Amino acid sequence: NAGVTQTPKFRVLKTGQSMTLLCAQDMNHEYMYWYRQDPGMGLRLIHYSVGEGTTAKGEVPDGYNVSRLKKQNFLLGLESAAPSQTSVYFCASSRGLDLGNTIYFGEGSWLTVV
Amino acid sequence: AQSVSQHNHHVILSEAASLELGCNYSYGGTVNLFWYVQYPGQHLQLLLKYFSGDPLVKGIKGFEAEFIKSKFSFNLRKPSVQWSDTAEYFCAVNANSNYQLIWGAGTKLIIKP
Repeated sequence: NAGVTQTPKFRVLKTGQSMTLLCAQDMNHEYMYWYRQDPGMGLRLIHYSVGEGTTAKGEVPDGYNVSRLKKQNFLLGLESAAPSQTSVYFCASSRGLDLGNTIYFGEGSWLTVV
Repeated sequence: AQSVSQHNHHVILSEAASLELGCNYSYGGTVNLFWYVQYPGQHLQLLLKYFSGDPLVKGIKGFEAEFIKSKFSFNLRKPSVQWSDTAEYFCAVNANSNYQLIWGAGTKLIIKP
């Protein structure tokens, strides 16, 4: 099983450019999440989805948009990248709301905005 | 606001030393507690979790953690570390069984061979 796969793994953007990070999971999970990880800070939730066609804001949603058109995919978009969005982005998925279900993570996507 | 504190950002130990990584959280209600580990170049993966019952939880690779409610702590321990334990360790807390995990900043553990 591939688990959770993120693309691209590395990207450098200029300020103002747009891009989309793709997350795919093959575990038929209902819940999917996008986190960002910054030095000296824990993971912070950007957006999440509780099922196909649904999205919701997390802790730090500003500057990002998401879409969940298919159950297995969760896209994170940056419409106009800013240097403050330089970070490592992690996608994750889980079976349901009950956190007895393990959250599975992708390998991360390193984004640099110059 | 809920928060999770991991007091040591970097820990360096020799092989066979004992390990204890601290994790404290700020929430007075029912909590679910997790330790995740990220080995170099790999995914974050679950090390162990506590939901209820015995406050001493055993996880993979010889790790264990003890939930002490009165101290709001969930410290991670291993009696004898190995070089392969070099990784970054994250504590996370979920309150009220909602979807969101609150994460600590992580502890980078380096084991000298």
